[in-house]
Amino acid sequence: KAGVTQTPRYLIKTRGQQVTLSCSPISGHRSVSWYQQTPGQGLQFLFEYFSETQRNKGNFPGRFSGRQFSNSRSEMNVSTLELGDSALYLCASSLATGLAPEAFFGQGTRLTVV
Amino acid sequence: AQRVTQPEKLLSVFKGAPVELKCNYSYSGSPELFWYVQYSRQRLQLLLRHISRESIKGFTADLNKGETSFHLKKPFAQEEDSAMYYCALSPSSGNTPLVFGKGTRLSVIA
Repeated sequence: KAGVTQTPRYLIKTRGQQVTLSCSPISGHRSVSWYQQTPGQGLQFLFEYFSETQRNKGNFPGRFSGRQFSNSRSEMNVSTLELGDSALYLCASSLATGLAPEAFFGQGTRLTVV
Repeated sequence: AQRVTQPEKLLSVFKGAPVELKCNYSYSGSPELFWYVQYSRQRLQLLLRHISRESIKGFTADLNKGETSFHLKKPFAQEEDSAMYYCALSPSSGNTPLVFGKGTRLSVIA
């Protein structure tokens, strides 16, 4: 089956702009999580959506938002971009049921803010 | 709050030598623990989880609740083990996000 797909793979934006990233989960997976990966901080949790509802949220400012559609696809939006938002943004999907469910990651979107 | 600590940013070992990647966690309950691996130019993927008690690619990890540790071990390192390794914790099953450590880069020298 197809893996988690993230688009676009690369983005260059200028400060103050806004950006939307997309994630298509594995078919049948209802949970989609977003992470920010940077060399200094590793993977930091942004938010998780399950059945179109935000179920968990990390400690990021309100400029970071997301949503999930009825087909489980998810989008993440960052408004008023700052230089510090430059990072690899990873999306992960899972069944989110049972014990210790595996999270399947996409290849990420590398965002560069200049 | 949950926290995962990987004290080593970089670990270099010779091929055939034993490997131990350290992971300590902070959580008051019974966590689910995982090791994820990211090989060069590949996506992050699950290596193993403590609940499965399995050995993957020769790696094992034992949960030590007394020491709150979940160290990853392999008796004989191979060059293909070179990668970034992340320890992760989930406070409960199914509906809470993973908390990751900052990762350890393992370099296996031929």
